[in-house]
Parts: sequence; structure tokens; C-alpha cells
Amino acid sequence: DAKTTQPTSMDCAEGRAANLPCNHSTISGNEYVYWYRQIHSQGPQYIIHGLKNNETNEMASLIITEDRKSSTLILPHATLRDTAVYYCIVRVFLTASKLTFGTGTRLQVTL
Amino acid sequence: DTEVTQTPKHLVMGMTNKKSLKCEQHMGHRAMYWYKQKAKKPPELMFVYSYEKLSINESVPSRFSPECPNSSLLNLHLHALQPEDSALYLCASSHRSGTGGENTEAFFGQGTRLTVV
Repeated sequence: DAKTTQPTSMDCAEGRAANLPCNHSTISGNEYVYWYRQIHSQGPQYIIHGLKNNETNEMASLIITEDRKSSTLILPHATLRDTAVYYCIVRVFLTASKLTFGTGTRLQVTL
Repeated sequence: DTEVTQTPKHLVMGMTNKKSLKCEQHMGHRAMYWYKQKAKKPPELMFVYSYEKLSINESVPSRFSPECPNSSLLNLHLHALQPEDSALYLCASSHRSGTGGENTEAFFGQGTRLTVV
């Protein structure tokens, strides 16, 4: 699985959009971008994934650059409950292979 | 039901004890995983089971022994652990593949917090 690079930490004011970047410059053509988050002392939670098109669900939006070397997770209206560590992971879709976590971004949402 | 249930939630054991961690899911997932997470670190993969057979062992010491008795259950047997094995142990499950259009996102349990004394 390709390696990812994320900022160590970010702050966001409640109600504002949180934009979390991820660099995956060595991504292969058959690898998807997955985002998970881990709220303190809980198990990781799936957020969203995509291949090359932008994706949106009830939790977030995922913007993937045209060359697929980077992506941005957008939480449109961050709340205090979104405070967590966010992990960007790239992996092959059709497999039960490794889901390898990088160091992630610690997002702190403040009043 | 989109839950992965892990028991116990907390476990304290001595270095000479034998204990087991349990994980259960009823989503029809045929891939199950054990992860270990130390404080302020990301989860690290330990084992992957696919169709109840061990498919990946990330060079985990033999004092950790996984078992998948059926498609819904995953156990982790612990024996002669060391204090440095104290960590949060996470179980996860997913569909084996997306060939049928299934999403291969992994669902995680809340973990067992293990303390070895």
C-alpha cells in the first residue's frame, strides 16, 4: 500500500469547514483513498473513500486531485464532536489485505 | 447490525496468566483483523483472517495466538505477556472483496484495553 503524508495537527473553529490534506504521491492506479477517524479511546470509524472522482456522503466530502497524488477531506460544518485523529489510507479496493494507518492528523475543533 | 463487539472492554492480567480476547460480528464479513494500538500511536496490524484462515501474520510474537472458530467470531489468546504488551487491542471486519459490489470498508470494535502487570 502507498505511503501517505498528513500534517500532525490542525485547529478549526466550530461551524467552519475543516479541510484536511493528504499527500499520496506514490499511489497506484488500482489504489483507493480511504479516510477514517478515531475519537479518543474509541475504535476507528470509516468516513469516506474514493478512486478519482470527488465523493460526498452525509459525513464529509473527498476531493482528489486530477493526478491523484493528493486529496482533501472536507468536514463542511465542524462540531466539537469532530475532534479526533483523522487517518488517510490508500489501499487496493478488491482485497482483504492490510489497512495500514499512518500517523494521521489530530483535528481540534474549538468554540 | 453494523457492530463489531469486543469483550472484555478492560483486562488486567499477570505475566503468567492465560487470557483470551473475543470479537464478534454479524455483518457477513469474511475478513477479520486484529490491531494493536499503543498510546498516541496509530493502530498496527497484527493478523488478518480471510474465510476463517490466517492470511497475514505481521511477525507477531507467539505469545499472541489468534483463532477464528467460525465466520462471526475471532479470538486472540494471550499467554506469558510482558508489560510492554499493554495496549488497546482492536478487532475489525470487512467484506473479503468488492467483486459483488460490496463496500470493503472496515468496521472496528471499541477495543479491549489490556494492562499486563
